[in-house]
Amino acid sequence: QKEVEQDPGPLSVPEGAIVSLNCTYSNSAFQYFMWYRQYSRKGPELLMYTYSSGNKEDGRFTAQVDKSSKYISLFIRDSQPSDSATYLCAMSAGNAGNMLTFGGGTRLMVKP
Amino acid sequence: DADVTQTPRNRITKTGKRIMLECSQTKGHDRMYWYRQDPGLGLRLIYYSFDVKDINKGEISDGYSVSRQAQAKFSLSLESAIPNQTALYFCATSDFSRRSTDTQYFGPGTRLTVL
Repeated sequence: QKEVEQDPGPLSVPEGAIVSLNCTYSNSAFQYFMWYRQYSRKGPELLMYTYSSGNKEDGRFTAQVDKSSKYISLFIRDSQPSDSATYLCAMSAGNAGNMLTFGGGTRLMVKP
Repeated sequence: DADVTQTPRNRITKTGKRIMLECSQTKGHDRMYWYRQDPGLGLRLIYYSFDVKDINKGEISDGYSVSRQAQAKFSLSLESAIPNQTALYFCATSDFSRRSTDTQYFGPGTRLTVL
């Protein structure tokens, strides 16, 4: 079993829909959680960063962490075709030298 | 100009050939990483370096070697390429001193095909 699980999709939604992307994990030591967005033929870019449990909002994006359930989510409101990309969750325990563990990525397609 | 650059962007080679992928960064970060990405498997760490004199193996280092020529340069070599090394390769950097975790910044990737 992978340490971080993510539904690969593809997830296809109409423009304007609310999108929910999710990851589950097994390592209870993880306390830093990130979402990366990767456009086709590009490197991943950091989208959201959250420490421990709770919510964080940035424009149309909301990151949610539930450490008790080992479950993180990324919500995208009013989705746009430009949001079409692969979304990767990543997490770490935060200790010096501790590496990021990535999910496999979910491919999102927002149709006009 | 891009902060993290990778050369070449695309490479097709044959089994048994030696290949070097290069990464340069202008972010001034100490930490550099090499990952490979395969469909459905996400990013897997090959090697990482915390400074010029510190090189560490990652999850999947077999068949790969690295060289940290300077703070800004980190190269990945495949000594004798094999077809299952066909993948997308990413270099990344991070500045641990600014955050409590490794927030990483990625290059544009190198698409490697081994025939």
